[in-house]
Amino acid sequence: DGGITQSPKYLFRKEGQNVTLSCEQNLNHDAMYWYRQDPGQGLRLIYYSQIVNDFQKGDIAEGYSVSREKKESFPLTVTSAQKNPTAFYLCASRANERSNNEQFFGPGTRLTVL
Amino acid sequence: KNEVEQSPQNLTAQEGEFITINCSYSVGISALHWLQQHPGGGIVSLFMLSSGKKKHGRLIATINIQEKHSSLHITASHPRDSAVYICAGPVTGSQGNLIFGKGTKLSVKP
Repeated sequence: DGGITQSPKYLFRKEGQNVTLSCEQNLNHDAMYWYRQDPGQGLRLIYYSQIVNDFQKGDIAEGYSVSREKKESFPLTVTSAQKNPTAFYLCASRANERSNNEQFFGPGTRLTVL
Repeated sequence: KNEVEQSPQNLTAQEGEFITINCSYSVGISALHWLQQHPGGGIVSLFMLSSGKKKHGRLIATINIQEKHSSLHITASHPRDSAVYICAGPVTGSQGNLIFGKGTKLSVKP
């Protein structure tokens, strides 16, 4: 089955620790995205990557880092510099041929920092 | 001010009712997406449309590009339709990056 997997579904970390969220897709999509969702707010873009070995900051990149060493993988690291990391994180991917191609979303990871 | 506005924010309906969720946007969007997010958090794409109307089962989406407005209709609503419905669109010239509404939380009572 083609799709996007995110792991783990729930993640707990102590304040001050870095944590890496996994995102893998087998859709052969070029573009991948990381979003953050907070209660009562729309999804906000953290980072995106249009192609392997290249990525761009989104609207709220501070305190986060990413890598795109392989087409199918786009891990997100939440660093200790992120002031309020507790949130729901969603990964998405999109074929790059046309800018209005739909995005496919993963199941999300709920991160709680204690 | 959010560039994509949805209304209502919350909606409670009785099973069988006809439901309408509205989306207005103030930026240039080449196509509009309607997404469904279930309580577990996963998001599913329902529609992507750039003009006119699309229908899938009991769901109908319409868009008026000139008026920058789209609606999602659910006919004969059912409790399993309970979810958050989100509209989003790739901003023109943004390489496909989406801008999202805050979502409409729908609860359908049996």
